[in-house]
Amino acid sequence: EDKVVQSPLSLVVHEGDTVTLNCSYEVTNFRSLLWYKQEKKAPTFLFMLTSSGIEKKSGRLSSILDKKELSSILNITATQTGDSAIYLCAVEATEYFNFGNEKLTFGTGTRLTIIP
Amino acid sequence: DGGITQSPKYLFRKEGQNVTLSCEQNLNHDAMYWYRQDPGQGLRLIYYSQIVNDFQKGDIAEGYSVSREKKESFPLTVTSAQKNPTAFYLCASSRDRDEKLFFGSGTQLSVL
Repeated sequence: EDKVVQSPLSLVVHEGDTVTLNCSYEVTNFRSLLWYKQEKKAPTFLFMLTSSGIEKKSGRLSSILDKKELSSILNITATQTGDSAIYLCAVEATEYFNFGNEKLTFGTGTRLTIIP
Repeated sequence: DGGITQSPKYLFRKEGQNVTLSCEQNLNHDAMYWYRQDPGQGLRLIYYSQIVNDFQKGDIAEGYSVSREKKESFPLTVTSAQKNPTAFYLCASSRDRDEKLFFGSGTQLSVL
């Protein structure tokens, strides 16, 4: 059974701090790893990672995949109160070249709270 | 503005009652999905549809039903057979099944 584990489950930091969120996975036939930010209920897409060692960056957020360690990290530098959210990690598997969103396995999420 | 609209935001179900959650998108996406989110668990796929008039069961379809009569709409019915319906329900769509998901704002369903 495919499994995605996120850590920590919850994190509280002060504004301006840097945080690192972790996602590890056990998936048969890995295809991609995705990060979503869930604030005010609706998750929004952040990154999709398919290649090991290549950093994806968007402003203060960055993410990298380590296929050898079966994991990914999401870094947020100079955190702001608007970064408070649940961060979801999802992994897509493929089977006989059959892949799609229905093959996503989601982690439980990391709840990040930024204190002003 | 294009997006996904879920309604209602909050819904209460009585014992033995069927309730229907609405999901409408104006993104012209072919694929639509229903997920259930429970505390301490990841999103779990209930049903998905890759094209109009076609849908497939996800990992936890028991006690739920869907229809896809129009491209824009993918309503979810929580039937009385679903014994633990209290959860947050998220609808999502994607241009096709291999494109990134866009999510609605969810419906919180509770049992009276």
